[in-house]
Amino acid sequence: QTVVTQEPSFSVSPGGTVTLTCGLSSGSVSTSHHPSWYQQTPGQTPRSLIYNTNTRSSGVPDRFSGSILGNKAALTITGAQAEDECDYYCVLYMGSGISVFGGGTKLTVL
Amino acid sequence: EVQLVESGGGLVQPGGSLRLSCAASGFTSNTYAFTWVRQAPGKGLEWVSTINTAALTFYADSVKGRFVISRDNSKNTVYLQMNSLRVEDTAVYYCARRGNCGANDRLCFFDFWGQGTLVTVSS
Repeated sequence: QTVVTQEPSFSVSPGGTVTLTCGLSSGSVSTSHHPSWYQQTPGQTPRSLIYNTNTRSSGVPDRFSGSILGNKAALTITGAQAEDECDYYCVLYMGSGISVFGGGTKLTVL
Repeated sequence: EVQLVESGGGLVQPGGSLRLSCAASGFTSNTYAFTWVRQAPGKGLEWVSTINTAALTFYADSVKGRFVISRDNSKNTVYLQMNSLRVEDTAVYYCARRGNCGANDRLCFFDFWGQGTLVTVSS
């Protein structure tokens, strides 16, 4: 069974830069997995941040960017702000109609 | 304005059934796939099931054989029939819109989400 891996937690200073990653338990992530990223504040609905590896969703600040780094998808926040403190999830499309969420990364800004 | 509104959640005993609905508005629903995603209390997001524009259906192993996703394009509504419910199915269930996921497609992601409906399986 495919497992999508994310760091359970990460910490960044206000104004700092942080890169969250999204990998596979077996194999490499590529653009063919259509990597996408979602932001969720506790108790709220998830919000789309990045799709198709590196395209920002409507209204998403340009401090958020997506890429492939090595064998993983990556979400980079440049100039982190206090309101960026929340949970981040990646999703990979595995083909045959199946999508898999990563376990999520809890980001702390302090 | 794109809207997805879920309904049908509630409290059910183990082994029971529920049918969730997701009413879509503000766009042509038959040109999109729809997905159910769930989130157990204090846990992460989990893909449950997808129905594409051709009404092909796909399920996570955890619900295969128990849940059935369907769509009624005339009503702009997607359903999730949940049978043989287990305590571990307790979660908020979200409906999300998704584009096509072919090799050359660029909209293979969940761009709009509903507010979710809570399903509690407990005796």
